[in-house]
Amino acid sequence: EVKLVESGGGLVQPGRSLKLSCAASGFSFNDYWMGWVRQAPGKGLEWIGEINQDSSTINYTPSLKDKFTISRDNAQNTLYLQVNKLGSEDTAIYYCARHAMGIDDWGHGVMVTVSS
Amino acid sequence: DIQMTQSPASLSASLGETVTIECRASEDIYNGLAWYQQKPGKSPQLLIYNADNLHTGVPSRFSGSGSGTQYSLKINSLQSEDVASYFCQQYYSYPHTFGPGTKLELK
Repeated sequence: EVKLVESGGGLVQPGRSLKLSCAASGFSFNDYWMGWVRQAPGKGLEWIGEINQDSSTINYTPSLKDKFTISRDNAQNTLYLQVNKLGSEDTAIYYCARHAMGIDDWGHGVMVTVSS
Repeated sequence: DIQMTQSPASLSASLGETVTIECRASEDIYNGLAWYQQKPGKSPQLLIYNADNLHTGVPSRFSGSGSGTQYSLKINSLQSEDVASYFCQQYYSYPHTFGPGTKLELK
């Protein structure tokens, strides 16, 4: 069974940084592109970006590129999302996503709330 | 960026009814389109990929069609468990943009 479990979220002060993790299991992690999607409360889905199997290619939504860094550790079957200079607009559920044709598996999501 | 639009933004339908949701891309996406279902408080789930391929385990009452810039998701014989929001996503080019979603409710 594919499992994607995010962690590292919570309440964060504006201007701070955060690193989210996604622990993957139940599949061969290093065979897949992986990525992140977020969803602000009551809003739609926003694609953040994705990383290929050996980390040689990373694609981002251009408007988010300066804020986010996606990385992975294949030895630990873990995906990461570094988020810098958080603002209220970054309050959202952040989903870890396994990319195949579309996104064929999603984590349960982790909430990040940016507030002083 | 390719812009995705969906219509309607919301709809109300009766049990057993057939429902169609439309998705339009701002340019040709060559069938690089997926549909997702998201129930309240849950993660999205893949329904359709490559515009018309049913994902494993998805009931056959769901189907996708379309080409070029226009795509649709059809739900035959609506069930109560189909109450959800539905999103399309293009993955033909970067960034892989989502449509704004369609909220489906029971009448």
